[in-house]
Amino acid sequence: DTEVTQTPKHLVMGMTNKKSLKCEQHMGHRAMYWYKQKAKKPPELMFVYSYEKLSINESVPSRFSPECPNSSLLNLHLHALQPEDSALYLCASSHRITRQINTEAFFGQGTRLTVV
Amino acid sequence: DAKTTQPTSMDCAEGRAANLPCNHSTISGNEYVYWYRQIHSQGPQYIIHGLKNNETNEMASLIITEDRKSSTLILPHATLRDTAVYYCIVCHPVPNAGGTSYGKLTFGQGTILTVHP
Repeated sequence: DTEVTQTPKHLVMGMTNKKSLKCEQHMGHRAMYWYKQKAKKPPELMFVYSYEKLSINESVPSRFSPECPNSSLLNLHLHALQPEDSALYLCASSHRITRQINTEAFFGQGTRLTVV
Repeated sequence: DAKTTQPTSMDCAEGRAANLPCNHSTISGNEYVYWYRQIHSQGPQYIIHGLKNNETNEMASLIITEDRKSSTLILPHATLRDTAVYYCIVCHPVPNAGGTSYGKLTFGQGTILTVHP
């Protein structure tokens, strides 16, 4: 199984709503990532979890709250978003790397979020 | 983290080789070069990666210059389904506790490859 599964595929939410994006992988990867991609732009890194601990937060506003409840799951909790937060949110996972081994990250198909 | 520079767009005829260049002049000795592609509205798809030797897999070949400051992705027989945005990425290792590392992928602007009949 080399899949990263993201749910939901599409989400429309109001600015006062609270919602969550979910990401799941069963490849035994211990690094998991959230990226945000605006239209016609490259993906931008938001958060990195390593061994279920938050390792990188790329100065993301607190209205985005990540959570890694176990080694297979990654959530992104959303609250009080703005219309400019509308984007494709991508989850990825990877193995650890060593000097001898450098492996690829696998991406999910993303959740397309629209904030109204 | 090292930055990459790619042409904004390229065209290729179906059945011909597509050669996509990338400059990464500030790459460090422990950073790998990765290539991903993204077909419209889908998640990025891994293509190939390398450190300093040339690499080949079932999808593509990767040629890295001896000084490692640039690389070229080669799709040997492009098809219409290869039309996508191609990203050249320098993967920066980030240390974990316990002596392990994970790779941090920072995407550049990418090259829009259009394969035409």
